[in-house]
Amino acid sequence: EDQVTQSPEALRLQEGESSSLNCSYTVSGLRGLFWYRQDPGKGPEFLFTLYSAGEEKEKERLKATLTKKESFLHITAPKPEDSATYLCAADSNSGYALNFGKGTSLLVTP
Amino acid sequence: DSGVTQTPKHLITATGQRVTLRCSPRSGDLSVYWYQQSLDQGLQFLIQYYNGEERAKGNILERFSAQQFPDLHSELNLSSLELGDSALYFCASSGSGRAGANVLTFGAGSRLTVL
Repeated sequence: EDQVTQSPEALRLQEGESSSLNCSYTVSGLRGLFWYRQDPGKGPEFLFTLYSAGEEKEKERLKATLTKKESFLHITAPKPEDSATYLCAADSNSGYALNFGKGTSLLVTP
Repeated sequence: DSGVTQTPKHLITATGQRVTLRCSPRSGDLSVYWYQQSLDQGLQFLIQYYNGEERAKGNILERFSAQQFPDLHSELNLSSLELGDSALYFCASSGSGRAGANVLTFGAGSRLTVL
């Protein structure tokens, strides 16, 4: 059975303190690994898609990377407005729907 | 505004009741996905429709059903409600029949509270 596991569950950073969020996956034939951001009371918002090991994508202070077993979302010099829950999801050969992890709740304090 | 519209935003009801959640997908998108989000389970896939036809089923209870209408809007019906059904219900749409082929665009969700 496909599994997507995110760690840590929660992370508190000081503004400017860089860190990484982890998404490990066990799926049958990964076709794509997705990162979404979710603000309280809102729906998830798309950030990145990664398709193959070694691929990297960047957007402002965020960089997503992919290996054969996991993906990382690196946050460089975060700001309070980066506070949100970050979700990863896998698209695999086993189904039509994205399989989401439980998310990492990030809080960035001034 | 993501372009995916969900109504109602909030709903409070009693155990044993039935409710209907509505979703209008982004213009041009043929696929509608329903997800349930609770604190302990995260986002759980319920069901997908593509151009009016059911395409995939996830962990959807028999008490729940859905349909997609000719104008592509979708409704999720939840019946014989239990306390454990309290959750956020999200609708997402995409242009493709397969989630990974296109990005999913999510609505703002419907928060259901069962008392």
